[in-house]
Amino acid sequence: KQEVTQIPAALSVPEGENLVLNCSFTDSAIYNLQWFRQDPGKGLTSLLLIQSSQREQTSGRLNASLDKSSGRSTLYIAASQPGDSATYLCAVGGYSGGGADGLTFGKGTHLIIQP
Amino acid sequence: EADIYQTPRYLVIGTGKKITLECSQTMGHDKMYWYQQDPGMELHLIHYSYGVNSTEKGDLSSESTVSRIRTEHFPLTLESARPSHTSQYLCASSLYEQYFGPGTRLTVT
Repeated sequence: KQEVTQIPAALSVPEGENLVLNCSFTDSAIYNLQWFRQDPGKGLTSLLLIQSSQREQTSGRLNASLDKSSGRSTLYIAASQPGDSATYLCAVGGYSGGGADGLTFGKGTHLIIQP
Repeated sequence: EADIYQTPRYLVIGTGKKITLECSQTMGHDKMYWYQQDPGMELHLIHYSYGVNSTEKGDLSSESTVSRIRTEHFPLTLESARPSHTSQYLCASSLYEQYFGPGTRLTVT
């Protein structure tokens, strides 16, 4: 059974810092990996999707990498801003007969950016 | 931006009532999912569907049921609500990337 672990569980940094969020998973036979942010009381916003054949994806100040063989992904946030404060979730998609099945989520990293 | 809708957003209901949580998407996605999230905990997959007339149970055992009669619609039903069903329920759909609705926060008293 796939298990996803995110480190650290919480992080508080001053505005402007570059930071790295870590995600590890136990089964390397994944279909894809997706990073989300979740704001209090709201749904999930997709940040980046990495297919199993890809090594990294970039969107604006965000860069996510994937090392399937070691079961690791990192989310790099450049020049952090107070609006980046949220919980960041890593989720792994597995294979099934119909293609990707549902995602297995980590518990998230609760990020606070101090103004 | 993905268009996926959930109603109601908040629901407080008494034990024993039957409830249906609605989820609809306008993107024509075949795959749809329901997740459950308890406060401070991770999301767990409870149901998914590959398309019309397809439904599968997820990793987390749930007393709820789902149906998929139309591509755009994936409702979740609890026949008899209990306090243990109090949670947030999130619906998603995908082509490759999963897009989530805003969620339904259910409280059973």
